[in-house]
Amino acid sequence: EPEVTQTPSHQVTQMGQEVILRCVPISNHLYFYWYRQILGQKVEFLVSFYNNEISEKSEIFDDQFSVERPDGSNFTLKIRSTKLEDSAMYFCASRQGHSNYGYTFGSGTRLTVV
Amino acid sequence: AQKVTQAQTEISVVEKEDVTLDCVYETRDTTYYLFWYKQPPSGELVFLIRRNSFDEQNEISGRYSWNFQKSTSSFNFTITASQVVDSAVYFCALSGTVFTDKLIFGTGTRLQVFP
Repeated sequence: EPEVTQTPSHQVTQMGQEVILRCVPISNHLYFYWYRQILGQKVEFLVSFYNNEISEKSEIFDDQFSVERPDGSNFTLKIRSTKLEDSAMYFCASRQGHSNYGYTFGSGTRLTVV
Repeated sequence: AQKVTQAQTEISVVEKEDVTLDCVYETRDTTYYLFWYKQPPSGELVFLIRRNSFDEQNEISGRYSWNFQKSTSSFNFTITASQVVDSAVYFCALSGTVFTDKLIFGTGTRLQVFP
């Protein structure tokens, strides 16, 4: 069964450093998402991406965050200057189409900011 | 506003007991989707079910069953004859179709099944 692949599975970074989280969605999917889960809390929406642009973003997704799909396969989340409170599990998800299609989640990247 | 409420923070049961996890939602959309995900200690999100708002039939899959009641905006999940491997955090989630398609998650219910 096709999978969404996320790398790395765990990343440790120093506060203030830039970090890029990588995702390879399923190849025929058109809608892409990033979600975040701070330890012990609920999963929160960050951003959705369709047709090479952001279609929706949450209040969490401020100027420190950016997404891109540089080569038609990878979908990346960049955090420009990490803060301690960015420590969380980051999930990538993709869907083949809108509404009537299910989401496929990756297994997540655990980001630890020290 | 779109909202999912899972009032049960943590439930503990002994193996073989039945357990029901509650989920109540709010949405402006007339067409929407409801989901349940399981998050084991390893951390990944495991998809369990997706239900269209027009389909109020209850669903059974092995030891799992789901009760969707539009009248009370609830989508409850029952595990029959629970097993230790069912221990996990379970999230209910909602996605709309008109105003937004993002998933809105509840706060999760931690289920502990003791042998």
